[in-house]
Amino acid sequence: GENVEQHPSTLSVQEGDSAVIKCTYSDSASNYFPWYKQELGKRPQLIIDIRSNVGEKKDQRIAVTLNKTAKHFSLHITETQPEDSAVYFCAAWKTSYDKVIFGPGTSLSVIP
Amino acid sequence: DAGVTQSPTHLIKTRGQQVTLRCSPKSGHDTVSWYQQALGQGPQFIFQYYEEEERQRGNFPDRFSGHQFPNYSSELNVNALLLGDSALYLCASSRTDQETQYFGPGTRLLVL
Repeated sequence: GENVEQHPSTLSVQEGDSAVIKCTYSDSASNYFPWYKQELGKRPQLIIDIRSNVGEKKDQRIAVTLNKTAKHFSLHITETQPEDSAVYFCAAWKTSYDKVIFGPGTSLSVIP
Repeated sequence: DAGVTQSPTHLIKTRGQQVTLRCSPKSGHDTVSWYQQALGQGPQFIFQYYEEEERQRGNFPDRFSGHQFPNYSSELNVNALLLGDSALYLCASSRTDQETQYFGPGTRLLVL
């Protein structure tokens, strides 16, 4: 069945450094790939998304890259700040009415 | 413009009981998806409702059922509760022609 893997499961970086989280998906028909940030006790918040017709998308310190051939996509956070500390989830699905598959999450800690 | 809302915020039940959780979508959204998030894991897709019909379903038993009302709000019902049903239950709303989903704050269910 469909599967999304996410690595690493935990990540610690010094404030100001970059963080990279990678996800791989199994269904080659997937064409929408969002990233969510979930702070402790709060709802997942969409931070960036990418569709299969685009290879890279940036929004200030956050960027996502997609390699459809290899079926993986990555979240890049530059100049990390303590408030970036949270659990990050990737997801993949085909259409707006498709089953949504989330990765298991990456716990990011930014050390001041 | 109100975002996605859910009620109640917390709930404690005993094994064998039944529970109903409620979700009101973001204004302009007509599709509601439900997720179960166990501690330390990513959201697991339960099902999605559109036009008052279940459109997609994840790998959850028939004890999990739902409903969508004409105003697009939705309910999640779980019968014969098990200890393993303890989790954060999230709903997410979207427009049927768009993939982007916005999450509510969740209902934390504890089954004793």
